[in-house]
Amino acid sequence: KAGVTQTPRYLIKTRGQQVTLSCSPISGHRSVSWYQQTPGQGLQFLFEYFSETQRNKGNFPGRFSGRQFSNSRSEMNVSTLELGDSALYLCASSLGPGTPNTEAFFGQGTRLTVV
Amino acid sequence: GEDVEQSLFLSVREGDSSVINCTYTDSSSTYLYWYKQEPGAGLQLLTYIFSNMDMKQDQRLTVLLNKKDKHLSLRIADTQTGDSAIYFCAVHSGGYQKVTFGIGTKLQVIP
Repeated sequence: KAGVTQTPRYLIKTRGQQVTLSCSPISGHRSVSWYQQTPGQGLQFLFEYFSETQRNKGNFPGRFSGRQFSNSRSEMNVSTLELGDSALYLCASSLGPGTPNTEAFFGQGTRLTVV
Repeated sequence: GEDVEQSLFLSVREGDSSVINCTYTDSSSTYLYWYKQEPGAGLQLLTYIFSNMDMKQDQRLTVLLNKKDKHLSLRIADTQTGDSAIYFCAVHSGGYQKVTFGIGTKLQVIP
């Protein structure tokens, strides 16, 4: 079965722009979580979506938002980009909230560079 | 919230054992994971341990959990150059899929 698909793989944007990243979970998985990975901060939890509803949120400013569609695909949006938003954005899919990560799978990530 | 700490860097010679350590703060953590990330790749779940276990062995990997000290370790026996990667310790606390990751330990294997 196909894995978690994140698009695009690489993205370069300029400060002030906005960006939308996409994550298609494994077929049958209904929960999608997003993480930001930077060298200085490591992996930080952004938010989790299940059944088109945000179930959990990390400590990020309101410029970071997301949504989930009825087919479980999720998008995250970052508005008014800052240089510090340059990072690898990872999504993970699982069957549902509370599912241990033993059954969660990560995509390869989208590398966002803000210049 | 949960805090997960691990050292940034470890260098070992090929064939030796590697031990990567991790400490966490939330005593109610249920699942504890080790992930591997190779350059340009996403995260790969290597192994995990339930909080009611002390040890788990999986081929060359041994996970040790000391709940009293909130200390988790990953031992890689007979370390190979292909084991060079960043290793993340992660802890699952609470009902929702909120997992807290350590900053990652970069393992360098010297041939």
